Amino acid sequence: EVQLLESGGGLVQPGGSLRLSCAASGFTFSSHDMTWVRQAPGKGLEWVSTISDSGGTSYHADSVKGRFTISRDNSKNTLYLQMKSLRVEDTAVYYCAKNAGTHWGQGTLVTVSS
Amino acid sequence: EIVLTQSPGTLSLSPGERATLSCRTSQSINSDYLAWYQQKPGQAPRLLIYGAYSRATGIPDRFSGSGSGTDFTLTIRRLEPEDFAVYYCQNYGSSPWTFGQGTKVEIK
Repeated sequence: EVQLLESGGGLVQPGGSLRLSCAASGFTFSSHDMTWVRQAPGKGLEWVSTISDSGGTSYHADSVKGRFTISRDNSKNTLYLQMKSLRVEDTAVYYCAKNAGTHWGQGTLVTVSS
Repeated sequence: EIVLTQSPGTLSLSPGERATLSCRTSQSINSDYLAWYQQKPGQAPRLLIYGAYSRATGIPDRFSGSGSGTDFTLTIRRLEPEDFAVYYCQNYGSSPWTFGQGTKVEIK
């Protein structure tokens, strides 16, 4: 059974940093692209970042480019999202997903507030 | 960036009725990269349809997808009580991937 478990969310001040993790199990992690999607409170889904299976290629939404970095450790079956220069508008539940969205984690809440 | 526009914003229907949800893209897309998701309150999205018309594993056959080019449709043949939720379409063909704003299917 595919399982994705996000962690690392919490309360952070504007301008601060946070690193999210997503522990994957139940599939061959190194064979699949992985994605981060976020959802602001009461809002719709927003794609954030995608990384290729090898980690050699990554894409980021314009709204986070230069501030967020997606990465992965295939030896640990773990996906990461390093978030810097956080803004109030980055407040959201962050989901990791396998491929474009075949399976999703339960999400981790990031709150950016002073 | 390809913009996805879903309509209607809210669909009020009774159990047993047919639901037809629309997703229009700002430019023609490869239908291989059009997906539909269902999301219930407090839950993660669940993949329903990928490649515009292929049902994901475990999805009941009352859900069907169709369309091509710029116009795509998700049809729920006979609404069950558990189908009342928010539905999103997604284009994942090329960066940036984009989602529609969602259609809420509520009980009338």
